Amino acid sequence: EDKVVQSPLSLVVHEGDTVTLNCSYEVTNFRSLLWYKQEKKAPTFLFMLTSSGIEKKSGRLSSILDKKELFSILNITATQTGDSAIYLCAVETGNQFYFGTGTSLTVIP
Amino acid sequence: DSGVTQTPKHLITATGQRVTLRCSPRSGDLSVYWYQQSLDQGLQFLIQYYNGEERAKGNILERFSAQQFPDLHSELNLSSLELGDSALYFCASSVGGSGGAGFFGPGTRLTVL
Repeated sequence: EDKVVQSPLSLVVHEGDTVTLNCSYEVTNFRSLLWYKQEKKAPTFLFMLTSSGIEKKSGRLSSILDKKELFSILNITATQTGDSAIYLCAVETGNQFYFGTGTSLTVIP
Repeated sequence: DSGVTQTPKHLITATGQRVTLRCSPRSGDLSVYWYQQSLDQGLQFLIQYYNGEERAKGNILERFSAQQFPDLHSELNLSSLELGDSALYFCASSVGGSGGAGFFGPGTRLTVL
């Protein structure tokens, strides 16, 4: 059965800390892995990863994919209170998208 | 504002009824995706259309159907509604046919009483 598992489920850090969010997957016919940020509204697209070992970066956020070990990580450096959100990982296969349950990040001032 | 619009914003209806949710993608986007988000099941992919054709299909119930029209807007029809269908329904769009949805609409909150 295809599945996407995110860890940890929840994370509370202080401003300025660096966090690493994990996403592992078991799917057939992998096409891409996507990261989204969801605050109290619709998800916002962060990254799409298709190739192993190539880091995608946007400001303080970065992500990398390991297709051999079937996981991806999302790093956030120098966290800010505005980073507080649920971070969702999704995997696209040939004809489906599978979402993890998300990691809830809370950044305390 | 993502540029994806959804109507209505909220919908309250009774069990057994049928509703239609509407989505207009961003200008230039050919793909429309529908998702359901509930507290107990998280975000679930329902279906994707690309330029009027069904492209991918997820965990969409037989009571649900969707279509994409020539002007690229899409409608999600939910029939014989049950209490468990209460959820937030998102539409999203992207330019291409693969690679996931880049832009989500604000969602339609459906409450089935």
